[in-house]
Amino acid sequence: DAMVIQNPRYQVTQFGKPVTLSCSQTLNHNVMYWYQQKSSQAPKLLFHYYDKDFNNEADTPDNFQSRRPNTSFCFLDIRSPGLGDAAMYLCATSRVAEQFFGPGTRLTVL
Amino acid sequence: GENVEQHPSTLSVQEGDSAVIKCTYSDSASNYFPWYKQELGKRPQLIIDIRSNVGEKKDQRIAVTLNKTAKHFSLHITETQPEDSAVYFCAAKDNTNAGKSTFGDGTTLTVKP
Repeated sequence: DAMVIQNPRYQVTQFGKPVTLSCSQTLNHNVMYWYQQKSSQAPKLLFHYYDKDFNNEADTPDNFQSRRPNTSFCFLDIRSPGLGDAAMYLCATSRVAEQFFGPGTRLTVL
Repeated sequence: GENVEQHPSTLSVQEGDSAVIKCTYSDSASNYFPWYKQELGKRPQLIIDIRSNVGEKKDQRIAVTLNKTAKHFSLHITETQPEDSAVYFCAAKDNTNAGKSTFGDGTTLTVKP
């Protein structure tokens, strides 16, 4: 009964090689979020969508982009990953208040 | 924007003792306050939440209190067990569809058997 699904769970990429992380949901929630979480730190919000309205956090690097082609799917594109982008990337959804997190994608940059 | 401060950053207790983690927030528009437990390598898991029209909420060994006037809220865990060991995050969010959560920096709780 997976509700928020992230693929892949583990992603290894090379320095500078573009990578796309995906998130899908079966909850029909209108809000979707992308967070970056580094070791021993709180999740850091990168973007969120309210329906198709895109909201970019002021300090999200230009290297990060996102797409939401429909209600169920959301993608995070990292155009030129650097070593500092190695982290856990968490997708979450919400309808009103409570957020539902996916299992995350662990990104390694070599 | 919202600013959430969380204390302490680490907490070590003996099994069976109580643990208390405190958070303060700055934006009076925030009206939803979740607490998450995160084990190593796993997703944040909602353990309890409270809305601003409520002062206290309890679920078995876990309770949350909210003082809206002072803009602070606390997590209380009683009769701690080793499996309670994890990182705990508080967050503050406005209760709208487009609202976003601001997280505290986290508290690493260690329960010693």
